[in-house]
Amino acid sequence: AQSVTQLGSHVSVSEGALVLLRCNYSSSVPPYLFWYVQYPNQGLQLLLKYTSAATLVKGINGFEAEFKKSETSFHLTKPSAHMSDAAEYFCAVSISNFGNEKLTFGTGTRL
Amino acid sequence: EAQVTQNPRYLITVTGKKLTVTCSQNMNHEYMSWYRQDPGLGLRQIYYSMNVEVTDKGDVPEGYKVSRKEKRNFPLILESPSPNQTSLYFCASSTAGTENSPLHFGNGTRLTVT
Repeated sequence: AQSVTQLGSHVSVSEGALVLLRCNYSSSVPPYLFWYVQYPNQGLQLLLKYTSAATLVKGINGFEAEFKKSETSFHLTKPSAHMSDAAEYFCAVSISNFGNEKLTFGTGTRL
Repeated sequence: EAQVTQNPRYLITVTGKKLTVTCSQNMNHEYMSWYRQDPGLGLRQIYYSMNVEVTDKGDVPEGYKVSRKEKRNFPLILESPSPNQTSLYFCASSTAGTENSPLHFGNGTRLTVT
């Protein structure tokens, strides 16, 4: 079975500083990896996804993530934080030959 | 506007009183799913449906029922709610298949069972 671990339930950064949210995954087969964002009182929305086409994935709102197989990581970064980035961020993993029915979420990091 | 609509947004009930949380999507999506969100546990899948009349258990199905009689609707039923079902519930939908199309989420239903 696949799983994800998000290090740090809360991360604080100053406006303009680098944002780094950590995600490590476990999967016995090639994974699909995702970052979702949840703004207050809303559902989740997709930030970006990795599906093996390119290891560096660019998403919306200036976020990007790099898939590193050797480290089993998919950390989310943004060069310069903005107040509007305050939200909860979820990393998720799916088995590559299944759809969303096998999507597993991490426990979330509040930025 | 493409959306997933959940009702109600907030619900307070008592132990044992049957309730239904409705979910409707207007995007003709085949796949629909229910999640519960609890502090420190992230989102856990309750049930999902790959199409009309096709449903399956997720990771935490105990105490819940679902049905998929129409493509657009996927109600979540709690026959006899208990306090441990106090949570924030999300419905989500997407196209089906192996390409992992993005999940579209509703705005959530906050349920309190006393």
